[in-house]
Amino acid sequence: QVTLKESGPVLVKPTETLTLTCTVSGFSLSNARMGVSWIRQPPGKALEWLAHIFSNDEKSYSTSLKSRLTISKDTSKSQVVLTMTNMDPVDTATYYCARTSTEETGGAYDYWGQGTLVTVSS
Amino acid sequence: DIQMTQSPSTLSASVGDRVTITCRASQSISSWLAWYQQKPGKAPKLLIYKASSLESGVPSRFSGSGSGTEFTLTISSLQPDDFATYYCQQYNSYSLTFGGGTKVEIK
Repeated sequence: QVTLKESGPVLVKPTETLTLTCTVSGFSLSNARMGVSWIRQPPGKALEWLAHIFSNDEKSYSTSLKSRLTISKDTSKSQVVLTMTNMDPVDTATYYCARTSTEETGGAYDYWGQGTLVTVSS
Repeated sequence: DIQMTQSPSTLSASVGDRVTITCRASQSISSWLAWYQQKPGKAPKLLIYKASSLESGVPSRFSGSGSGTEFTLTISSLQPDDFATYYCQQYNSYSLTFGGGTKVEIK
């Protein structure tokens, strides 16, 4: 059974760095056909893609947020980590991690975590 | 970045209605398009991938069509469980992008 679960702080202060962890099970982060993205959704707004990490450790970032984001993975721990620097109240959102499978869907997100709400406030 | 434009942003419909949602890409994405359904407080759920392939377990009343820059999601007969927000997403090239969403409301 494939699962993804996000963890991290629920509240961060402006200018702080956010670190979120996605722990996966049911598949390996070294599987050539799998990748994991981070996606966020401000309250009442649309989904926004943030970053993706491929099985070969190649990374891709949102053009508008690239300077603030770092994605990495620890295959042995089955974890994908996202850091976002210089947090601002506009970064308040539910943050999701999601899996892509090129074999099954050609790269669409077939499994999602439950999401974690991060509030940025002093 | 490829921009994805969904229309309408809100749609009011009744149970049994045929519903169509449109998604336009700012440049060709071939058939690399997915549709998701999201209910309040829940993660999105994959409905359609590669523009027209139905995800396993998704009811057959959902269908997708299109290629290039124009795509549609159709619900052939709207059911009570279908009232939700729907998003399209292109995965032709990174940076990936989502549409702005279409909320399907009860008329």
